[in-house]
Parts: sequence; C-alpha cells; structure tokens
Amino acid sequence: DVKVTQSSRYLVKRTGEKVFLECVQDMDHENMFWYRQDPGLGLRLIYFSYDVKMKEKGDIPEGYSVSREKKERFSLILESASTNQTSMYLCASVGNINEAFFGQGTRLTVV
Amino acid sequence: KNEVEQSPQNLTAQEGEFITINCSYSVGISALHWLQQHPGGGIVSLFMLSSGKKKHGRLIATINIQEKHSSLHITASHPRDSAVYICAVRTSGSRLTFGEGTQLTVNP
Repeated sequence: DVKVTQSSRYLVKRTGEKVFLECVQDMDHENMFWYRQDPGLGLRLIYFSYDVKMKEKGDIPEGYSVSREKKERFSLILESASTNQTSMYLCASVGNINEAFFGQGTRLTVV
Repeated sequence: KNEVEQSPQNLTAQEGEFITINCSYSVGISALHWLQQHPGGGIVSLFMLSSGKKKHGRLIATINIQEKHSSLHITASHPRDSAVYICAVRTSGSRLTFGEGTQLTVNP
C-alpha cells in the first residue's frame, strides 16, 4: 500500500538541463516537503507546501523551485541542473495527526 | 551545534545483542519521530512520540520531554535490522528537523 510515490528512483541529467522530480501522495495530506540528503549533512529542507498553490522556502531553496497545482502532487524543479545538485532527493507527506510518510527517494546524478 | 544530535554515528553489533540509539534535541518540540532508512534510500517511519514509551515488536522507543532526550532500543537484534536510523523532531508547524542518522550493522 504505497502512500508516497516519487516518479523516479534514479536519474542522470546533464548540466544545464531543467529537471522535474514528481511526488504523489494518496492520503489527502495538506503538508508536503522536499528534502535532499547528503553524506555528513543529513536531510535538509528545500521547499515545503501547506496547501494547493502554496509554497514556502526551506533551508536550502537556491537553485530550486516547486509546484503544487493539485493537493496530491508536489513537484520539485531544478531550473538549470548543476553538479552540486547531485544528491538523494526525498519527498515527505505529513498528516494533521503528525504522521509522516516518505517516498523511496530519487538519486539524481548531474554530469 | 545541530538542533538534533544522535549517538552513536556508527554502531556494529552481533546478532542477538540489545541495541540503543540515542537522540538529544535542543528545541521545543511537539513530536519526535524515529525513522529507518535501508540502502536504496526509502525511509519508513517507525515511531512517532510525544511522551512516554512505544513498543512495536522488537523495537521500543522512549522519550523524556524534560531532558529533551529519546532512545530507540532494538531487542534481539538481527542482520535485517541493519539500516540507518534517523531521529527527527517536529518543531513549528509540520516541519521536521533531522539528526544525521546512526548507521547500524548487525553481523550474523
């Protein structure tokens, strides 16, 4: 019973490409988050959204944007991919009773 | 200093051993999560705590709000328990702040 689905497990993109990472949840949650995970730095918050068409910057938003056109889908966009954006990207969905669900992660390599 | 500190960073145990992973935090929280991440990246939520103690199978999680400390215990550890265990605290709204994780290896 998959609850949070990320569109790709592995991606390889070229420097300068526009990259879309998709996250879909089936729990009708309002709160969705995008994190990146790097060795020695843990999980860091990129962007989050508390409602449709609403977005807030996290701790490291530079080089990223997001889109939340529908409640179930939260997209992370790398406007012009760079090698320092090579990372593991994780989407999370959080319900009103504080339960948190995570996607399987997308390992992005920018060459 | 990170708001969430975990110890140890790495832990190697023999099958059957009792394991404890610790988490200390320095901010006010509304809840604390223990998460498990297996190789390949996916994260699973093991527990969410706001007080006291929870148990699920061989896993036990405790939290002491006054001391700002939580522990995750694994009884009768097994090689399949090998994973990264991450402590995360909920601060403002639904935001989570994460510890850096504890890499657990259980040898047969």
